[in-house]
Amino acid sequence: SQELEQSPQSLIVQEGKNLTINCTSSKTLYGLYWYKQKYGEGLIFLMMLQKGGEEKSHEKITAKLDEKKQQSSLHITASQPSHAGIYLCGAGPDAGGTSYGKLTFGQGTILTVHP
Amino acid sequence: DTAVSQTPKYLVTQMGNDKSIKCEQNLGHDTMYWYKQDSKKFLKIMFSYNNKELIINETVPNRFSPKSPDKAHLNLHINSLELGDSAVYFCASSLTSGGPDTQYFGPGTRLTVL
Repeated sequence: SQELEQSPQSLIVQEGKNLTINCTSSKTLYGLYWYKQKYGEGLIFLMMLQKGGEEKSHEKITAKLDEKKQQSSLHITASQPSHAGIYLCGAGPDAGGTSYGKLTFGQGTILTVHP
Repeated sequence: DTAVSQTPKYLVTQMGNDKSIKCEQNLGHDTMYWYKQDSKKFLKIMFSYNNKELIINETVPNRFSPKSPDKAHLNLHINSLELGDSAVYFCASSLTSGGPDTQYFGPGTRLTVL
């Protein structure tokens, strides 16, 4: 089964600083999802990456998938307190399409942004 | 408009009781899921239904029984609740189950078993 390892497990930064969260897979990724979770709330979809070398941005958040499709990074530029929460990466269906849509998640990265 | 909704948001109950959590999506999606998030925030798939049919059952105790009366609803019934069932349960939906479709999550139901 696919396993995802996120690092760091927690991160505390000062407002305005840049930061990066990594997600490493034990297998080739065919769909990599980034979600954000605020305490007491559901998961908010951020971005989905599929192709090797793909990069997507939304506001101050950029996600990349490496060429080998086994590692993804999430970069936040000029962090704000509103960026605080738990960031989760999830791996999507495998190449054979037999996982029926289920996502396998990393353990999450807790981000704290101090004003 | 809420895309994926769950009720109740909080559920506190005694060991041994039976409880249900309801989920509804208004996105017109074919596939719905139940995930469990434990105290360490680890999120794991439990069940998946595609157009009212069970397609994933991830070795969940048979005290947990999902039911999908139609493709917009997926409910989770739990019998004989145990302390270890305390967690946050998330419902999600996606357009289909066959490709890398984005899953949209509900707000979660925090279950506490005393």
